[in-house]
Amino acid sequence: NAGVMQNPRHLVRRRGQEARLRCSPVKGHSHVYWYRQLPEEGLKFMVYLQKENIIDESGMPKERFSAEFPKEGPSILRIQQVVRGDSAAYFCASSPRSGGGGTEAFFGQGTRLTVV
Amino acid sequence: GESVGLHLPTLSVQEGDNSIINCAYSNSASDYFIWYKQESGKGPQFIIDIRSNMDKRQGQRVTVLLNKTVKHLSLQIAATQPGDSAVYFCAENMLPGNQFYFGTGTSLTVIP
Repeated sequence: NAGVMQNPRHLVRRRGQEARLRCSPVKGHSHVYWYRQLPEEGLKFMVYLQKENIIDESGMPKERFSAEFPKEGPSILRIQQVVRGDSAAYFCASSPRSGGGGTEAFFGQGTRLTVV
Repeated sequence: GESVGLHLPTLSVQEGDNSIINCAYSNSASDYFIWYKQESGKGPQFIIDIRSNMDKRQGQRVTVLLNKTVKHLSLQIAATQPGDSAVYFCAENMLPGNQFYFGTGTSLTVIP
């Protein structure tokens, strides 16, 4: 859905650098989800955030990865000291309220991270 | 043509034929399901959804069937067109947490 904006669309980082991925949800949406997708694979849940709160980070690697969704501004997925295995497409989705009861999540176009 | 997402990740159909894409979900407590279509290089796009209190829901050329007894979801596409070629994912949503869990996906190729 064009309403969820992710940037950059493509990001190249050298091993050891930091990668910062941004996601601006649909206007008025207060719930954000981050997913990772490896080539030829499905979407793997990473983290679910509401404004200023991490609700579920069960899919996030324990180290080097962090996410935030501040009161103002976009949601940020941060990967420190990137390694080649971090190369993937990272998708952000937003919804206007919690998913229970049937609320679809709208996806952005993704950020394709390449670690060289 | 018919495909089980986990065992047959690719499906090829002739243009004009009907397609059936299957998905086995994992949690009997899931209460909401969505089918997404993902074209190459793009993010997933919503196709159709269904709540757990329903067995069937129809959209334009698409129908979703839900069998809670065997935790099975299917997407039927009528009169498949070349523009339907994409990877299709089913997603389940469960409480608490509200995150969506996605299946592996099925790649649909429509042969003109």
